Amino acid sequence: DAKTTQPNSMESNEEEPVHLPCNHSTISGTDYIHWYRQLPSQGPEYVIHGLTSNVNNRMASLAIAEDRKSSTLILHRATLRDAAVYYCILRDPPGGGADGLTFGKGTHLIIQP
Amino acid sequence: DAGVIQSPRHEVTEMGQEVTLRCKPISGHDYLFWYRQTMMRGLELLIYFNNNVPIDDSGMPEDRFSAKMPNASFSTLKIQPSEPRDSAVYFCASSNWETQYFGPGTRLLVL
Repeated sequence: DAKTTQPNSMESNEEEPVHLPCNHSTISGTDYIHWYRQLPSQGPEYVIHGLTSNVNNRMASLAIAEDRKSSTLILHRATLRDAAVYYCILRDPPGGGADGLTFGKGTHLIIQP
Repeated sequence: DAGVIQSPRHEVTEMGQEVTLRCKPISGHDYLFWYRQTMMRGLELLIYFNNNVPIDDSGMPEDRFSAKMPNASFSTLKIQPSEPRDSAVYFCASSNWETQYFGPGTRLLVL
């Protein structure tokens, strides 16, 4: 499986944008980039995913580099509730069926009030 | 929808005892996953099912662990006999394709 590299931790201020980077230099042409997050004492939750184009949803935006070797999860206006561990995960194409997620260490996002 | 339901939420047991963790997936989801989270190893996949059939159990640590899915709305993960190193948070997740929905987890402590 292609690997992802994320910073161990990041810190940001409340109500400011947050850019969480992920490097995946060995990504294959059909790997989707998924982001999950895990709030304290909770199970992981889906955030967003994409293939080549930038994606937006109500939670966040995903910016994917043109060569797809890196991506950035963008929280436009962080709140204290966004403090969590964020995981960047590569997955086989949906046509291959679902499979288990391979979690790395993720980025521990700290939000300062 | 109530989401993925796991029980018990907390379990404390003594080494050698049998432990059974339960999961009710989201209705209509065809896939069910069991994960374990520890400080040392992070989140790791143990086993997953598709339409109640085990597809990949390569993550199950050893024969002391077993998982079943007798029907589409229920799954169990059993540890017999339990050992202190099995102490962890066990998550169940379900999906119908791309997105997995996780339960709140069962925190297991084996003394």
